[in-house]
Formats: sequence, C-alpha cells, structure tokens
Amino acid sequence: EAQVTQNPRYLITVTGKKLTVTCSQNMNHEYMSWYRQDPGLGLRQIYYSMNVEVTDKGDVPEGYKVSRKEKRNFPLILESPSPNQTSLYFCASSPPRTPPQYFGPGTRLTVL
Amino acid sequence: DAKTTQPTSMDCAEGRAANLPCNHSTISGNEYVYWYRQIHSQGPQYIIHGLKNNETNEMASLIITEDRKSSTLILPHATLRDTAVYYCIVRVFHHGSGGSNYKLTFGKGTLLTVNP
Repeated sequence: EAQVTQNPRYLITVTGKKLTVTCSQNMNHEYMSWYRQDPGLGLRQIYYSMNVEVTDKGDVPEGYKVSRKEKRNFPLILESPSPNQTSLYFCASSPPRTPPQYFGPGTRLTVL
Repeated sequence: DAKTTQPTSMDCAEGRAANLPCNHSTISGNEYVYWYRQIHSQGPQYIIHGLKNNETNEMASLIITEDRKSSTLILPHATLRDTAVYYCIVRVFHHGSGGSNYKLTFGKGTLLTVNP
C-alpha cells in the first residue's frame, strides 16, 4: 500500500530537548516536504526536498532542520524546541513535477 | 500567488451531490487548480486537479469555467464520510536553491457537512 508514515504520532516534550520526527514514504518519490498546521493559519511549508541531498527552506523554516540522506526518508529535526513550535506536523511526498499528493497522518507536538 | 476564495461552510444531504465553489480570479495561464480535503486533523487528501478542461476521477469531478476565474468541485453522491474541510488551491512555483518547489498554500477552505 502506498503510504507516508510519520513517527511519533503524538509527542509531549520540554523546551530545549532535541527531538526528531521521522517521515518515510514507500513510493520512491523524489519530492518530499514538511508542513505545520496551526489554528487560523492553515498549513504552512517548513522545508522541502527535491531529491537526495537537495533541501531548501519553505515559508517557516526557523527553528527546524531537515536531512535527506535516502530517498524514502525525510526527518524533521528540532534542535531546541520552543513552545511556539507546538503544532500539528505533516510530511508529504509526490512524484516529480507535481504538488504533494500523499500526506502522512500527522504528528501532534506539544512543547512545554 | 493566485488567491482563492471559498465559502466558509456548506451543508449537503447524504446521497445528494455536493457542489463546492471556488473563486480564483487572479489565476495565471499556467497555474493549475488543485483540490484537497482534510478530515478532522488527519493528513490532507488529494482529490483532483485541472488546468482548463473539466476533469473527473473516482472521487469527484472538477468543473473550471472557460475564463478560469472559478471552479466547482462536485462530489456526485455525498456520504457522511465526505464531511471534511475542502481546500481549493492554485499551484505556486517557487524556485529555491533546491530547484522548483511545488508548494501548496492552504487557505481556510470550506467545511462541508454531510447530513443524514
């Protein structure tokens, strides 16, 4: 089954404690991206990747890092989480030259 | 970026067709119209997209006006499971250092409630 998986699905952490949210897709898609969703603000893109070792900033990249060492994985790293990063996060992937067509189930992050 | 305007909410009776409108009067000639939906806090789900011709797939039909300034998503036989927020999005291209970014800009969408 074609899918995008994210882990963990829920996470409560404290300010400053580094964390990683994993994202994996089994469709051999080149393009992957991360979004965050906040009430009243819709979904906003954090980072995207066109292919292995090729990443770039989206609209709200501050406080986040990503890496793309393998085509299937695109982890989101919060080196020093802060409460304003409390949000619902989605990973997405798609074939070449198309907007995201597959989204993961989401990761609900709370930073205390 | 082409902006879209959708009604905040709509109701539909189960089994009837749901027609969701979207205005995108500033759309440019090479921009596509995409529709997604999001069922409460789940990941967005791609529905359909089109450029200027009407499109149909197993989920829905997309009708785009001849001047491309508006479109309508049609769910032919709405079910309770179709209750969701529906987003009409015009695709934006951004060329970053990583190449073209097929970013999606999600607005507030339309909350479609399908009633029994």
